[in-house]
Amino acid sequence: DAKTTQPTSMDCAEGRAANLPCNHSTISGNEYVYWYRQIHSQGPQYIIHGLKNNETNEMASLIITEDRKSSTLILPHATLRDTAVYYCIAEEAGTYKYIFGTGTRLKVLA
Amino acid sequence: EAGVAQSPRYKIIEKRQSVAFWCNPISGHATLYWYQQILGQGPKLLIQFQNNGVVDDSQLPKDRFSAERLKGVDSTLKIQPAKLEDSAVYLCASSLDGAGQETQYFGPGTRLLVL
Repeated sequence: DAKTTQPTSMDCAEGRAANLPCNHSTISGNEYVYWYRQIHSQGPQYIIHGLKNNETNEMASLIITEDRKSSTLILPHATLRDTAVYYCIAEEAGTYKYIFGTGTRLKVLA
Repeated sequence: EAGVAQSPRYKIIEKRQSVAFWCNPISGHATLYWYQQILGQGPKLLIQFQNNGVVDDSQLPKDRFSAERLKGVDSTLKIQPAKLEDSAVYLCASSLDGAGQETQYFGPGTRLLVL
């Protein structure tokens, strides 16, 4: 199983870019990396996912290193509403199942 | 489109009692998941259904937990008898067909407190 490692917590100033790193050094070639976030008392919310190439959508950008051993989620202009726990997830190889770690608690400061 | 619905949102029971949670996935989604999330941890998969069949229940404590999805749409998760360590949020998620790069969509969860 691919495991992910994330910092426990991070702070970011409102309006600045939030860069959340994730290490997934044991990921295999066909395992996607997914990012979700969980705001207090809500279910996890899908943000973005990728395999090899960098991805961007209306919420965030995902930068995956060429060796696929790590990735960074970028929230370009963080707002107070982005305060949440962010999970980097690697699929369990061949099963398309998610394995959640403990995530990064991002606090956006006014 | 409507999201994943779960009920109840909160439940408090005493140990050794039984409890049931209900989930209605997004319309047309064939795959349904139940997760357990203990405070301070990420969600852990308990069981995965594809239509009305079980794909994986390897992490389900089958001596006390059961789940069904009889008509391939909504699902119930039951705990009988409950233990103190079952206090957690129970999340339901669904995806289109569970194959390939499938995005899972989560419901709001049911917060269970066992006293």
